[in-house]
Amino acid sequence: GAVVSQHPSRVICKSGTSVKIECRSLDFQATTMFWYRQFPKKSLMLMATSNEGSKATYEQGVEKDKFLINHASLTLSTLTVTSAHPEDSSFYICSARGSRSSYEQYFGPGTRLTVT
Amino acid sequence: DAKTTQPPSMDCAEGRAANLPCNHSTISGNEYVYWYRQIHSQGPQYIIHGLKNNETNEMASLIITEDRKSSTLILPHATLRDTAVYYCIVRVANFNKFYFGSGTKLNVKP
Repeated sequence: GAVVSQHPSRVICKSGTSVKIECRSLDFQATTMFWYRQFPKKSLMLMATSNEGSKATYEQGVEKDKFLINHASLTLSTLTVTSAHPEDSSFYICSARGSRSSYEQYFGPGTRLTVT
Repeated sequence: DAKTTQPPSMDCAEGRAANLPCNHSTISGNEYVYWYRQIHSQGPQYIIHGLKNNETNEMASLIITEDRKSSTLILPHATLRDTAVYYCIVRVANFNKFYFGSGTKLNVKP
């Protein structure tokens, strides 16, 4: 199946700093990518949808200025958590939908963010 | 918002079939049923999807009731590595977004 990678897999940052998470589709072109966050023992919560070359659309309650999303190419989307605080500590997961198939989404392995 | 209801947890003996139910009583005619699973601290893994016919692949079988208001995911011979949270999701085929419900934690025991 298609492969989606995320980098870094784990990151620890200090409160007030910004951190960037990359999501790459390795063997297909992803016209649309999605970002989720997941708190311990909770389900995945969709944060935003990013389409290549256009602005991301955010789910209700997600601060667009806090979570900056860029989808500059068909294989790369980035999520930047700006001015991170301890409550932003979470597991961030991206997924990608290829242009060939509308049926499946391929998920990355996730990034564990810890803000101290 | 998630449109599915699943039991929070289930146990299954290793080697036996695991039958995971999902209720989606408000499903629309053009919505598919998808199943994903998430092993601890990993990204979700696609298992299977279907519209109205039963489906089978190398991982599992999907049984959808005739009225499409519920479905069952069957892992025919569960192994310890099948311990995970299983998510049932309904989605229109050409609509992008997946909304995850709370899922079922399957515990496969030796």
